[in-house]
Amino acid sequence: DSGVTQTPKHLITATGQRVTLRCSPRSGDLSVYWYQQSLDQGLQFLIQYYNGEERAKGNILERFSAQQFPDLHSELNLSSLELGDSALYFCASRSSGDGNSPLHFGNGTRLTVT
Amino acid sequence: DAKTTQPNSMESNEEEPVHLPCNHSTISGTDYIHWYRQLPSQGPEYVIHGLTSNVNNRMASLAIAEDRKSSTLILHRATLRDAAVYYCILRDRSGGSNYKLTFGKGTLLTVNP
Repeated sequence: DSGVTQTPKHLITATGQRVTLRCSPRSGDLSVYWYQQSLDQGLQFLIQYYNGEERAKGNILERFSAQQFPDLHSELNLSSLELGDSALYFCASRSSGDGNSPLHFGNGTRLTVT
Repeated sequence: DAKTTQPNSMESNEEEPVHLPCNHSTISGTDYIHWYRQLPSQGPEYVIHGLTSNVNNRMASLAIAEDRKSSTLILHRATLRDAAVYYCILRDRSGGSNYKLTFGKGTLLTVNP
């Protein structure tokens, strides 16, 4: 158990809808990362927060947004969903904000858009 | 940005050692080398990381070349549960950030009984 909790585990929704994925980092970790993994792609980095502030952005679509709250949990909002957004979404946390400490991943949210 | 190169796949037999190579010829002097693995239907799992010296933990050993342009993840006795995709990654400094870890395609390790 990595200590990172993601909810829900599975989500099925229709095109055009909006969903929110939630992540609780390991106790004490200030940094949260979001990754997307679809069948034909590897792990794609989406966005990173450190202590409530956005620190790095990857290939995140404009339809997607995220935030990290004062209690350090994070939410990833996906709107105007398309079939191609079906994927596993992983959250990871690390204790520091730099790029050299290990990432600890949750078990992901599997999103299916029909 | 520093990139890594790994073989697409490797095969091993159960209870034999496995050496998973990774090339990172453009690594920066301050970047750690990270290894993660991903079992089917699970999130990536941290395996080990190091800077210059060889590192050992309960899961694996990491051997880092003296010039740091390559490294090898060593599983001392492979088990069927070690079958996974293994990722060797460096900090991604693209976009002016020091904080990203970008995953490549990794090495798919198959362990034969």
